[in-house]
Amino acid sequence: DAKTTQPTSMDCAEGRAANLPCNHSTISGNEYVYWYRQIHSQGPQYIIHGLKNNETNEMASLIITEDRKSSTLILPHATLRDTAVYYCIVRALYNFNKFYFGSGTKLNVKP
Amino acid sequence: SAVISQKPSRDICQRGTSLTIQCQVDSQVTMMFWYRQQPGQSLTLIATANQGSEATYESGFVIDKFPISRPNLTFSTLTVSNMSPEDSSIYLCSAHGTGTPNTGELFFGEGSRLTVL
Repeated sequence: DAKTTQPTSMDCAEGRAANLPCNHSTISGNEYVYWYRQIHSQGPQYIIHGLKNNETNEMASLIITEDRKSSTLILPHATLRDTAVYYCIVRALYNFNKFYFGSGTKLNVKP
Repeated sequence: SAVISQKPSRDICQRGTSLTIQCQVDSQVTMMFWYRQQPGQSLTLIATANQGSEATYESGFVIDKFPISRPNLTFSTLTVSNMSPEDSSIYLCSAHGTGTPNTGELFFGEGSRLTVL
């Protein structure tokens, strides 16, 4: 699986959009980009995933660059409850469905 | 979706002892996995729990230290054997639902926090 690079931490004001970047420059054609988050002391939670098209669901939007070497997770209106560690994971569907977590980005949403 | 329950949620253990963590899923699932999360760290995959066969371990993890069982499609156990303080971690069970192996939604339990003295 391709390696991902994320900033260690980011701050965001409550009510503003949070934009979390992820670099995955070695991604291959059959690898998807997934985002999970882990709120303190809880199990990780699935947010969204995509292959090459931008995706949106009730939680967030995922923007993948045309060359697929990077992506951005957007939380449109961050709340204090969005404070968590956000993990960007690249995974090929054939890899026995395993997920390998990187170090993630700690998002601090501030009042 | 799948709801995953783990027991115990936390425990304090003595060095040299073993502890078995149970993971129960509320529906049949295809794939189950065990992760370890050391204090302040990210998640590390320990193994894939295979139904009806031996677990598949990741590099750095061995069956003698982390024996795993998966007797059916809704249940798995992880044993942490001969514990030392370095085994103090949160152990997380996870699973793909029967409809989600190719959609990426991996469900997690709340974890079992082990402290080894």
